[in-house]
Amino acid sequence: GQNIDQPTEMTATEGAIVQINCTYQTSGFNGLFWYQQHAGEAPTFLSYNVLDGLEEKGRFSSFLSRSKGYSYLLLKELQMKDSASYLCAVMDSNYQLIWGAGTKLIIKP
Amino acid sequence: DVKVTQSSRYLVKRTGEKVFLECVQDMDHENMFWYRQDPGLGLRLIYFSYDVKMKEKGDIPEGYSVSREKKERFSLILESASTNQTSMYLCATTQGGPGANVLTFGAGSRLTVL
Repeated sequence: GQNIDQPTEMTATEGAIVQINCTYQTSGFNGLFWYQQHAGEAPTFLSYNVLDGLEEKGRFSSFLSRSKGYSYLLLKELQMKDSASYLCAVMDSNYQLIWGAGTKLIIKP
Repeated sequence: DVKVTQSSRYLVKRTGEKVFLECVQDMDHENMFWYRQDPGLGLRLIYFSYDVKMKEKGDIPEGYSVSREKKERFSLILESASTNQTSMYLCATTQGGPGANVLTFGAGSRLTVL
């Protein structure tokens, strides 16, 4: 079956760096997405990776290794507003999205 | 920015009631989706539509139906609500045909079935 694994919860300190991992096993691969979801709000798009390597967008970066079925989201200079759930999703060979359960990130002062 | 509006943020219904969840988008997006979100589980696709009057079953269509009479509106219908349909329902849209497009989500409708 198809599966996306990511940690359920992580805690980090304001100003620090945190890495949220996502591993996947899917039928084919057409890209990997990261979304951010604040409590009670809609998920919003953060990044998309389809080729191996690192994509950087300000304080956020996303890495992909297709051979390892692995991605991570790196958040630098953490701010309190980064407290949210981070959702990893992989698009399979049929262009259907397979979603992880999300990682709740708690930022402490 | 694309706005996706879900008509009800919170609903409480009784078992057996018919429930309508409405979703309206204000851009000319072809594709619309209904997901449910439950704690500890990834988003699960209920139904989707790539065009007016077109609908396709997702991963968990049982107990649900949809309607897309106009391009901007995609409705989710629970014909006879049950307690196991208590959940957060998210509507989303993308531009263009099937492919690796970014989803824009509505704020969600939290349904409680008693």
